[in-house]
Amino acid sequence: EPEVTQTPSHQVTQMGQEVILRCVPISNHLYFYWYRQILGQKVEFLVSFYNNEISEKSEIFDDQFSVERPDGSNFTLKIRSTKLEDSAMYFCAGSSGGAIEQFFGPGTRLTVL
Amino acid sequence: KQEVTQIPAALSVPEGENLVLNCSFTDSAIYNLQWFRQDPGKGLTSLLLIQSSQREQTSGRLNASLDKSSGRSTLYIAASQPGDSATYLCAVSGSARQLTFGSGTQLTVLP
Repeated sequence: EPEVTQTPSHQVTQMGQEVILRCVPISNHLYFYWYRQILGQKVEFLVSFYNNEISEKSEIFDDQFSVERPDGSNFTLKIRSTKLEDSAMYFCAGSSGGAIEQFFGPGTRLTVL
Repeated sequence: KQEVTQIPAALSVPEGENLVLNCSFTDSAIYNLQWFRQDPGKGLTSLLLIQSSQREQTSGRLNASLDKSSGRSTLYIAASQPGDSATYLCAVSGSARQLTFGSGTQLTVLP
């Protein structure tokens, strides 16, 4: 059964550094999402992506964040200058339709020191 | 703004017991509701999806119901097993497709 994969599983970085989190969605998915979960808190929506552009973004997704699908398979989340409060688990998700079941990857744990 | 609440926050039951997890949401204009399972430090596994036009969905020992007008959903787990121990998350999708999550119910099934 196809799965969403994410790399790396754990990323440690210094405050102010750029990080790129990578996701390989399921091949027939058309809608892609990034969510994050700060330790002990709810899973929060960051951004959705469809047809090679952002379709929705939350207030969390400020100018420090960007997403792209550079080669038609990978889906990346870039944080330009990390802050301590960016430390969280970041989940990639995808769906084959706009309002149907979303399938999540295993997550990347980002630790900002 | 949609708010999702899950009660109880934690639940501990002996093996074999049937149990119900509750989820409520403030805005009834949802497209669907999805139940997930999350094991410690792991990703989210989709358990069931209920479309807004549906009343319930079943998968094995799991049954989820949806009452959109009252903003409530329940997840019923029959004959619980220690392997069911995990955090169960409820999430709703509105017109903008993104999921809004509850805080989850941490379930422990004791052998």
